[in-house]
Amino acid sequence: EPEVTQTPSHQVTQMGQEVILRCVPISNHLYFYWYRQILGQKVEFLVSFYNNEISEKSEIFDDQFSVERPDGSNFTLKIRSTKLEDSAMYFCARLEQTGVAFFGQGTRLTVV
Amino acid sequence: QQPVQSPQAVILREGEDAVINCSSSKALYSVHWYRQKHGEAPVFLMILLKGGEQKGHDKISASFNEKKQQSSLYLTASQLSYSGTYFCGTEGVFGNTGKLIFGQGTTLQVKP
Repeated sequence: EPEVTQTPSHQVTQMGQEVILRCVPISNHLYFYWYRQILGQKVEFLVSFYNNEISEKSEIFDDQFSVERPDGSNFTLKIRSTKLEDSAMYFCARLEQTGVAFFGQGTRLTVV
Repeated sequence: QQPVQSPQAVILREGEDAVINCSSSKALYSVHWYRQKHGEAPVFLMILLKGGEQKGHDKISASFNEKKQQSSLYLTASQLSYSGTYFCGTEGVFGNTGKLIFGQGTTLQVKP
């Protein structure tokens, strides 16, 4: 099954610290997404990124969040000053031409 | 506005059938169904585009009633491997952007 690779698989950070989550596509896609899933809850859309620009973002995606594709390959989500409520699984997803979104295996972020 | 799934939870014996419903208050372009096992990423099952088509593979099928803004996922002759949480993800009428709004999920447990 086509996937994207996410690193790290688990990140523990102290409240107030910055974290960078990475997503590495297996091929050159233009459309990427970040989703978040708090433990036991639904998957929530954060941001879509098309052709190296944000195309849409949700209310969750406030000024603490940013996305970029620094080297044209890796796709990163940065949280500048983490809060306890940022603890969640973060999934990167890419869009196939069929309109199907395939999710990476996720990064579990734990803020302590 | 997120779609509403019903039921919230289902417990089945192997070989029994189940139906999971997904209802939206907004006009939809597409409905996507995913299954998620505990601690893993959502895995794509199928996509239904507006047009009222029905799709299926193996013993899992789905329908999409565009007028009612509803989709149903049908699991027949359930297997132990069907256990997990099922999410529907919807795209609004200006869709094909890959941005999915997910329902709260339906937990399915298949017992021997």
